[in-house]
Amino acid sequence: AQSVTQLGSHVSVSEGALVLLRCNYSSSVPPYLFWYVQYPNQGLQLLLKYTSAATLVKGINGFEAEFKKSETSFHLTKPSAHMSDAAEYFCAVSLNYGGSQGNLIFGKGTKLSVKP
Amino acid sequence: DSGVTQTPKHLITATGQRVTLRCSPRSGDLSVYWYQQSLDQGLQFLIQYYNGEERAKGNILERFSAQQFPDLHSELNLSSLELGDSALYFCASSVKGRADTGELFFGEGSRLTVL
Repeated sequence: AQSVTQLGSHVSVSEGALVLLRCNYSSSVPPYLFWYVQYPNQGLQLLLKYTSAATLVKGINGFEAEFKKSETSFHLTKPSAHMSDAAEYFCAVSLNYGGSQGNLIFGKGTKLSVKP
Repeated sequence: DSGVTQTPKHLITATGQRVTLRCSPRSGDLSVYWYQQSLDQGLQFLIQYYNGEERAKGNILERFSAQQFPDLHSELNLSSLELGDSALYFCASSVKGRADTGELFFGEGSRLTVL
């Protein structure tokens, strides 16, 4: 069965430091992968997605993620954290079989805190 | 503002009761998705409608039902409520029939508390 694992439910970085949020997936076929962000008291919004084109995907707000098939990973990075990046980040994989094909399975989320 | 409107934002009710959550998708979006977000289960896909028809079912309990109306708004009905149904319920919409071919636009959610 397809699944997504996000390592670390909480990550804290200092403003200006590198942000690295980890996501590993399991899928028997090349997946579509996504990162969504949820700011406090808001719904989720799409940061970026991988759909089998370039392995390095650039998203909004300076975030990017690299698809590594050999490691089954899709980690999210940002070179320099900003206070406004404090939010919860969700990795997701698309289902490619069954009646819910095309729908997304979300990881449990990683809450990012940014210290001044 | 995603363009997806959910009402009510907050709802407190008692066990055994029934509630209805409403969602208006973005203008032009044909698909509506319902998700349940709780601390222990995370974000769980419940059900999807596309242009009035049920498209996909996820982990939706038999006590829950949904529909999408001709004007494309959707309602999620939760009945015989239990304490464990307390959660944040999100509605999302997309233009196409698959969540992975475009982008999901989420509403701000309806927070349900069952006492």
